[in-house]
Amino acid sequence: GENVEQHPSTLSVQEGDSAVIKCTYSDSASNYFPWYKQELGKRPQLIIDIRSNVGEKKDQRIAVTLNKTAKHFSLHITETQPEDSAVYFCAAVGGYSTLTFGKGTMLLVSP
Amino acid sequence: DVKVTQSSRYLVKRTGEKVFLECVQDMDHENMFWYRQDPGLGLRLIYFSYDVKMKEKGDIPEGYSVSREKKERFSLILESASTNQTSMYLCASSLIPDRAYGYTFGSGTRLTVV
Repeated sequence: GENVEQHPSTLSVQEGDSAVIKCTYSDSASNYFPWYKQELGKRPQLIIDIRSNVGEKKDQRIAVTLNKTAKHFSLHITETQPEDSAVYFCAAVGGYSTLTFGKGTMLLVSP
Repeated sequence: DVKVTQSSRYLVKRTGEKVFLECVQDMDHENMFWYRQDPGLGLRLIYFSYDVKMKEKGDIPEGYSVSREKKERFSLILESASTNQTSMYLCASSLIPDRAYGYTFGSGTRLTVV
């Protein structure tokens, strides 16, 4: 089945810096890659996603890039703010079109 | 907005009890899923369902079963709860049967087995 590796497990940045979270996947047939943000005590929420026919997608301060050849995709957050502090999960489509998630990255943005 | 509602936010059960976790979605979604979330392990798929009466095992189905008698309701059953099933359980739903479009998650049930 699909396997998703996510790095780093924790990331501390200063407010205003950029943050990058990287994921790799194993199944070359995967064609959908969402990112979820989970604030403390809350449910995971979809923040951005990318499909395999696109190399990059942006939404204000967040962007996702995809390299299908290398089977990796990344989340980029620019001009980080304290409210960006959360756990971020990447995911890729696995068997039966279910999502396989990475283990998560705890992002801490210090004022 | 799609609503996915999990009936309990916190549950404490004894070892050996049969436990039912309930999940209801209100947007006529075809797909429903149960994940468990543990620190350092991310979200792991327990069971999923693409239709009423249909169920498929995920990556960690041992010790669990599911029931989907109605389209909007997907129940996770712990046949005989054990302490290693202490975890956060997340239900999710999605619309498209054959594509993994973004899931909508419930708020989660934090289960403690003592």
